[in-house]
Amino acid sequence: NAGVTQTPKFRILKIGQSMTLQCTQDMNHNYMYWYRQDPGMGLKLIYYSVGAGITDKGEVPNGYNVSRSTTEDFPLRLELAAPSQTSVYFCASSYSSQGTQYFGPGTRLLVL
Amino acid sequence: AQKVTQAQTEISVVEKEDVTLDCVYETRDTTYYLFWYKQPPSGELVFLIRRNSFDEQNEISGRYSWNFQKSTSSFNFTITASQVVDSAVYFCAPPSGGYQKVTFGIGTKLQVIP
Repeated sequence: NAGVTQTPKFRILKIGQSMTLQCTQDMNHNYMYWYRQDPGMGLKLIYYSVGAGITDKGEVPNGYNVSRSTTEDFPLRLELAAPSQTSVYFCASSYSSQGTQYFGPGTRLLVL
Repeated sequence: AQKVTQAQTEISVVEKEDVTLDCVYETRDTTYYLFWYKQPPSGELVFLIRRNSFDEQNEISGRYSWNFQKSTSSFNFTITASQVVDSAVYFCAPPSGGYQKVTFGIGTKLQVIP
């Protein structure tokens, strides 16, 4: 099993550009999550999903969108990139709401 | 609302010393899970342990041990005979799914000095 994979590993965006961060898991987990981690800080939950077709906001959803068309994939969309979105983005998955979250390697995003 | 407190922001110890990282979890739930994760300087997040509030037995895994006391809402993590490779940020966290929507705190940064 590859676990949770994320692409790209690193990206530089200009202000106002859009991009999609990809996340895929091969563990057949129902729950998937997107977090952001600013330098020296903890992780903040952006969005999560409890299964295909079902998503919900976390603590910091503004400026982001998600979709969940399959169990495996949970892409995160940034529509109009802003410098405040410079961060490291982690995707995670778990088999249940109380289950262990397994994290991807992260995507480092720099918005200039 | 749930709240996780890791009061120690940074800890420095000399190699081979024992170190305990504190975690207090405030919640109205009567049963819950808590997790510890490790984030080394390379940046990945590594799962260490998941415990149920029903289980207050100490858990030991090699040099790592965990003490879960529901009466004080504490879930402390001890590293015995610390090593330089233990240098990392350690997060104590409840699950984020369902109604919780809880984020991780800033964690405790542990530096083990050779």
